[in-house]
Amino acid sequence: QVQLVQSGPEMKTPGASVKVSCKASGYVFPSYGVTWVRQAPGHGLEWVGWISAYNGKTNYPERFQGRVTVTKDTPTSSVYMEMRSLRSDDTAIYYCVRDLRRLTATTVLDPAEYWGQGTLVIVSS
Amino acid sequence: EVVLTQSPATLSLSPGERATLSCRASQSFSGNLAWYQQKPGQAPRLLIYDTSNRATDIPARFTGSGSETDFTLTISSLESEDFTYYFCQLRASWPPMYTFGQGTKLEIK
Repeated sequence: QVQLVQSGPEMKTPGASVKVSCKASGYVFPSYGVTWVRQAPGHGLEWVGWISAYNGKTNYPERFQGRVTVTKDTPTSSVYMEMRSLRSDDTAIYYCVRDLRRLTATTVLDPAEYWGQGTLVIVSS
Repeated sequence: EVVLTQSPATLSLSPGERATLSCRASQSFSGNLAWYQQKPGQAPRLLIYDTSNRATDIPARFTGSGSETDFTLTISSLESEDFTYYFCQLRASWPPMYTFGQGTKLEIK
């Protein structure tokens, strides 16, 4: 069965960086994209970034351009999300999610079918 | 940037009743709409994608519809496990957008 297992909770001070990992199993890793979504306490959901596990192509919302980098490691079927210059309002649960459908030549983003368990990132001085 | 507005913020109904949840986009967009259900302490679950397609193992009582800027999630006959939070999401390829509504809480009346 499809599983996405994320790294453990992180506590960071403002200005630091965090790198969250997501290890995929149960499917052919290069065939799907992976998205990162976050949810601040008591708030809604926000898109953080997306990567094609086939060719490493990425997409980011404008507000995270230059501050977030999503990467992959195919031999370990893992995806990573690094966020720099952390602020207190980056405190949230960060989820990695696998795309619903297999990648095609035109895939940019896709609905999120399988979700990791979430990683709590706390930014506080 | 397209903004999704969900209404109502809270919907109070009884088991067996029909629920109608709305999601309105601030402008028309070239892309698709999805709906997610989220229970407290859990990750969201995909219910509907591409406006009207049910995801795997989603019961037939969940129906998605709509077009242009107005979309609806209908739950035909509410069951106890349906009382929770629902989010709509738009997905567009260019420019890349993956935007969520602020959510509707479906509570037992």
